[in-house]
Amino acid sequence: QQKVQQSPESLTVSEGAMASLNCTFSDGTSNNFRWYRQHSAKGLEVLVSIFSDGEKEEGRFTAHLNRANLHVSLHIREPQPSDSAVYLCAVSSGGNYKPTFGKGTSLVVHP
Amino acid sequence: EAAVTQSPRSKVAVTGGKVTLSCHQTNNHDYMYWYRQDTGHGLRLIHYSYVADSTEKGDIPDGYKASRPSQENFSLILELASLSQTAVYFCASSEDRGRGNTLYFGEGSRLIVV
Repeated sequence: QQKVQQSPESLTVSEGAMASLNCTFSDGTSNNFRWYRQHSAKGLEVLVSIFSDGEKEEGRFTAHLNRANLHVSLHIREPQPSDSAVYLCAVSSGGNYKPTFGKGTSLVVHP
Repeated sequence: EAAVTQSPRSKVAVTGGKVTLSCHQTNNHDYMYWYRQDTGHGLRLIHYSYVADSTEKGDIPDGYKASRPSQENFSLILELASLSQTAVYFCASSEDRGRGNTLYFGEGSRLIVV
């Protein structure tokens, strides 16, 4: 069964500094990766999807995928206090329509 | 814009009672999901469905039933609610894009079982 682990559990950065979040997965056949954001007491919204090694940018959010290392990361450029939220990594493979989520990284951005 | 609405948004239930959580989507998506979120466990899949009148077990289906009477509606049923089912429940929908799928979530239903 797929295992998805995120680190760090919590992260505090200053406004404008780069924020980097990590996600490792166990199934080497995985090929669908998404980062979601969850503001307090709200549903999740997708930030970026990536399907092949390399990077994918969506505005200030950039995902990096290295399938050989079973690792995908999210980098947030110039984070703002409104980016304070929990960030979740979701991993699935092929025709598997049941993504497995990590436990999340809680990000706090100080003004 | 994608829209998934859940009801109720919050509920207090008595141990042993029946609870029904409802989900309605206007996205015209085939796939619908029920997840629960707990501190320390993240999001875990309870049941999902890819077509009306059919449901599938997720990773933690014990103690839960699901019903998909139409493409738009997907319910989660707790026949005998227990304390361990206190959690926040999220419904989501997605379309079959053939390359994995982006899930569109509702805002969650907070259930407290006492």
